[in-house]
Amino acid sequence: DAEITQSPRHKITETGRQVTLACHQTWNHNNMFWYRQDLGHGLRLIHYSYGVQDTNKGEVSDGYSVSRSNTEDLPLTLESAASSQTSVYFCASSEAGEGNQPQHFGDGTRLSIL
Amino acid sequence: AQSVTQPDIHITVSEGASLELRCNYSYGATPYLFWYVQSPGQGLQLLLKYFSGDTLVQGIKGFEAEFKRSQSSFNLRKPSVHWSDAAEYFCAVGITGNQFYFGTGTSLTVIP
Repeated sequence: DAEITQSPRHKITETGRQVTLACHQTWNHNNMFWYRQDLGHGLRLIHYSYGVQDTNKGEVSDGYSVSRSNTEDLPLTLESAASSQTSVYFCASSEAGEGNQPQHFGDGTRLSIL
Repeated sequence: AQSVTQPDIHITVSEGASLELRCNYSYGATPYLFWYVQSPGQGLQLLLKYFSGDTLVQGIKGFEAEFKRSQSSFNLRKPSVHWSDAAEYFCAVGITGNQFYFGTGTSLTVIP
């Protein structure tokens, strides 16, 4: 069965360090998305990609970057981790569409920045 | 601007009782609407979706939702709640480019 895999599931790091969260999907979807989930805010879009070499900023993109070198992977990088970036991060993918294609989610990465 | 509001942060129901979770949206065009469920430590799972046509849509796990354009609402319902339904529920609207806007979620507790 197709799936989205996020790694690591849990990570603890220190402020100022660079951190990369992995996301790998086997759906062969063109669209991929990164969200952060915080209490009281629901899911907020960080970055998204509509295909290889395409990346776009979302609502809360400051301090984050992504790159898309193939269809399957969209790694999320925190350039210099800050305590405000402690959160649960979710990756999702979908077929191309105009809002009508369900997004499929990974199980998330819980990131703690000390 | 598009937005999704889930007015209830937390709801507690007894097992076997009926359930309704509220969702209101703001979007200028015809909305594509979704309900997702999130169990602890897991990602979001699609419960159901509305695109057009019949305003009452059926989903998995016995859930249904009704789209009411006049009220800009898409409320989720279940006739009889089971203990395993305890989870976080998210409403979302899909827009151009298949981007989603999510509500802040409703946490459901089920009392035995």
